[in-house]
Amino acid sequence: DAGITQSPRHKVTETGTPVTLRCHQTENHRYMYWYRQDPGHGLRLIHYSYGVKDTDKGEVSDGYSVSRSKTEDFLLTLESATSSQTSVYFCAIRGGLGETQYFGPGTRLLVL
Amino acid sequence: TQLLEQSPQFLSIQEGENLTVYCNSSSVFSSLQWYRQEPGEGPVLLVTVVTGGEVKKLKRLTFQFGDARKDSSLHITAAQPGDTGLYLCAGPNDYKLSFGAGTTVTVRA
Repeated sequence: DAGITQSPRHKVTETGTPVTLRCHQTENHRYMYWYRQDPGHGLRLIHYSYGVKDTDKGEVSDGYSVSRSKTEDFLLTLESATSSQTSVYFCAIRGGLGETQYFGPGTRLLVL
Repeated sequence: TQLLEQSPQFLSIQEGENLTVYCNSSSVFSSLQWYRQEPGEGPVLLVTVVTGGEVKKLKRLTFQFGDARKDSSLHITAAQPGDTGLYLCAGPNDYKLSFGAGTTVTVRA
């Protein structure tokens, strides 16, 4: 257990509304990641962070922003949700040996 | 474009049968990882292979890293219903991981 929690675990929202997902870790890991998972696409990186206030884009960053004001929290914001952002979102931290990533339990987001 | 191509996309077999999942790339990786994901949960690391030609065994699971470090395979012997899940391969890319699209394995009792 890498001490990663995500909130909320499920959310239903309407197109055009802002949505913020939270990832919280308890072990002071430097690297944190946000992925989305869709059938047939595996896990695709949205944004990642390599320290407080240090973030960078992944392969599918359009329509998403992130913030990391504390080591333990990494927030993902959909400024104006669209139906194409309906997905399962996973947060991960990089820890242990080598490149191993540990994942949170995921957030199911449905945008109507 | 996925750096890592997994095949097949779906596998459904009877308990006791064997199966193999493939992960291929045109790029050389310093290592490859295999994760398993069960419904409603996040992926969990099974193994990391580092050396070209390396074979690692985890009970009934055998992982192989290609000699050229561009491909890997996962072989399950005498599959059980508990092996059901989504199997993902991943390769390091700077401080990130690139994932394959995954193979959904269903083992029928």
